[in-house]
Amino acid sequence: EIVLTQSPGTLSLSPGERATLSCRASQSVSSSYLAWYQQKPGQAPRLLIYAASSRATDIPDRFSGSGSGTDFTLTISRLEPEDFAVYYCQQYGGSPLTFGGGTKVEIK
Amino acid sequence: QVQLQESGPGLVKPSETLSLTCTVSGASISSYYWTWIRQPPGKGLEWIGYIYYSGNTNYNPSLKSRVTISVDTSKNQFSLKLSSVTAADTAVYYCAKVRGNAGLIDYWGQGTLVTVSS
Repeated sequence: EIVLTQSPGTLSLSPGERATLSCRASQSVSSSYLAWYQQKPGQAPRLLIYAASSRATDIPDRFSGSGSGTDFTLTISRLEPEDFAVYYCQQYGGSPLTFGGGTKVEIK
Repeated sequence: QVQLQESGPGLVKPSETLSLTCTVSGASISSYYWTWIRQPPGKGLEWIGYIYYSGNTNYNPSLKSRVTISVDTSKNQFSLKLSSVTAADTAVYYCAKVRGNAGLIDYWGQGTLVTVSS
């Protein structure tokens, strides 16, 4: 099983600032099958990024993903008020599918 | 637009079987893989398993002995059964659609809270 470790656990930032979230895998993620999801309170997760760096439909270009192998990053270039949420990474290159523990981006 | 809606009891007694159904609209269940994911209150996401319309399944080894996922193509639905539940199975259960066959989840239901308690 591929274990995903996200850091930091919580990121306290102000609107307009840049957010950098990390996801580290316990072994190489096949074909960069790494996704990022955003979850707001009381809502289901929403797909943001797939294949490590491809934005999903209707996702603003302030969201970008990068990385390969075992180290992946989600960057939000300028935080908007609606971006404060919890972010999860997920690998889908191996079974079982696994998720990271999440990074909460909160308003400073 | 693909939409998924979970339904089933919100309260299940310990040692009994949790049963949920997901109704899909906007997509044919015969065209994709479908999955269940759960999230205990205040915690992270756990993949339960997925199914193809043909009946081919893949389960999380941590739950495999207790999980059954099935599909009903005539109703455009798929279902989850989790047996011998305990309080640790209390969670929001999501049904979702998989893009392709690798496990990328592109559409989610709104989720339903299932509490295990006597």
